[in-house]
Amino acid sequence: GAGVSQSPSNKVTEKGKDVELRCDPISGHTALYWYRQSLGQGLEFLIYFQGNSAPDKSGLPSDRFSAERTGGSVSTLTIQRTQQEDSAVYLCASSSDRTYGYTFGSGTRLTVV
Amino acid sequence: TQLLEQSPQFLSIQEGENLTVYCNSSSVFSSLQWYRQEPGEGPVLLVTVVTGGEVKKLKRLTFQFGDARKDSSLHITAAQPGDTGLYLCAGRWGLNNDMRFGAGTRLTVKP
Repeated sequence: GAGVSQSPSNKVTEKGKDVELRCDPISGHTALYWYRQSLGQGLEFLIYFQGNSAPDKSGLPSDRFSAERTGGSVSTLTIQRTQQEDSAVYLCASSSDRTYGYTFGSGTRLTVV
Repeated sequence: TQLLEQSPQFLSIQEGENLTVYCNSSSVFSSLQWYRQEPGEGPVLLVTVVTGGEVKKLKRLTFQFGDARKDSSLHITAAQPGDTGLYLCAGRWGLNNDMRFGAGTRLTVKP
């Protein structure tokens, strides 16, 4: 597609349930990033995929968080046993090269009740 | 831990006024970018700077990268209500492939 697509746009889940967030990057972009943005805050880095290299998972806040990128394209961020502090907007971005800027999706707003 | 500091955190001004927001780090950036984010949307890239002392202009926006590549500023001339949003700076250090973002400056321009 023309831009980065994220789904769902909104997700309300009960505490303790697992959720999957999807990101469809711009076709041909080799780099894909996940960030988390809490209300009124800046972006917190979560994970970075570059081509076929091992992902940089250094930003994942706990082992309840994991992400995959299948076929170098679509990525899924999974949060297991969700907690209320996981409530935030989860943003995905892609880039054709590390020297270029990112193109962001509109995010998934996750609310854990 | 925030590696970037942005100031001010909040700024509310009248239409037509000028303003400057700042982004600082204790470490040298390899590159720095400014983004603008509106409610319900992802950040949108405004500019990338890589050379110390570099100045870039985008209509009424002027971006400056410090000589030592540890700081940057964004100056808006004759602000308009459409400039309202969250302005984020993002930087890379060394050979890191990912960017780290500051907490942003939330700008409100009143008509």
